[in-house]
Amino acid sequence: NAGVTQTPKFRVLKTGQSMTLLCAQDMNHEYMYWYRQDPGMGLRLIHYSVGEGTTAKGEVPDGYNVSRLKKQNFLLGLESAAPSQTSVYFCASSPRLGGDTQYFGPGTRLLVL
Amino acid sequence: GQNIDQPTEMTATEGAIVQINCTYQTSGFNGLFWYQQHAGEAPTFLSYNVLDGLEEKGRFSSFLSRSKGYSYLLLKELQMKDSASYLCAVRSTGGFKTIFGAGTRLFVKA
Repeated sequence: NAGVTQTPKFRVLKTGQSMTLLCAQDMNHEYMYWYRQDPGMGLRLIHYSVGEGTTAKGEVPDGYNVSRLKKQNFLLGLESAAPSQTSVYFCASSPRLGGDTQYFGPGTRLLVL
Repeated sequence: GQNIDQPTEMTATEGAIVQINCTYQTSGFNGLFWYQQHAGEAPTFLSYNVLDGLEEKGRFSSFLSRSKGYSYLLLKELQMKDSASYLCAVRSTGGFKTIFGAGTRLFVKA
């Protein structure tokens, strides 16, 4: 039982390049989330999904797209990377809303030059 | 607006007790979480409060006062491994939005 995994762990991009971050969970959770974490700021929600085939915008969605084609996977795409997207990206999942805690992946460190 | 405030840093001594405060202003309230995050690692769940009062779990306790928009995390018998950031997070009504504070970095010294 691996929990939540993220690929890659670290990546360096040049401005304008594109990439996809992959999140996978093996806990059969319905809900999945993408956050970014920057120094001195809390985790900020980028996009989330309440089930296979559904996605919705979070707090800071601009410059990102997501897809949830399979229940266990949640992909985060950057079509044209910008230096402002340099951050640590965390994926999380939870079985349902309300009191259920979120389980976080190990994070992806992205540097955009 | 929505805001969560917690101290940036705290220092405490091994074996002591430390209280980390969190105040919040959010549009609706549907629970308050505390997460622990070691440097370079993912946040991990510590506690959840939805009703007023104290929730105790081993060396860690969390308190909530909804009327005051206030919570604290109490860590007893501090150990060196407790050196980490502690994130306060509030889930607003409507379900999907969990707002995170910037975190409190706790340093435990010998």
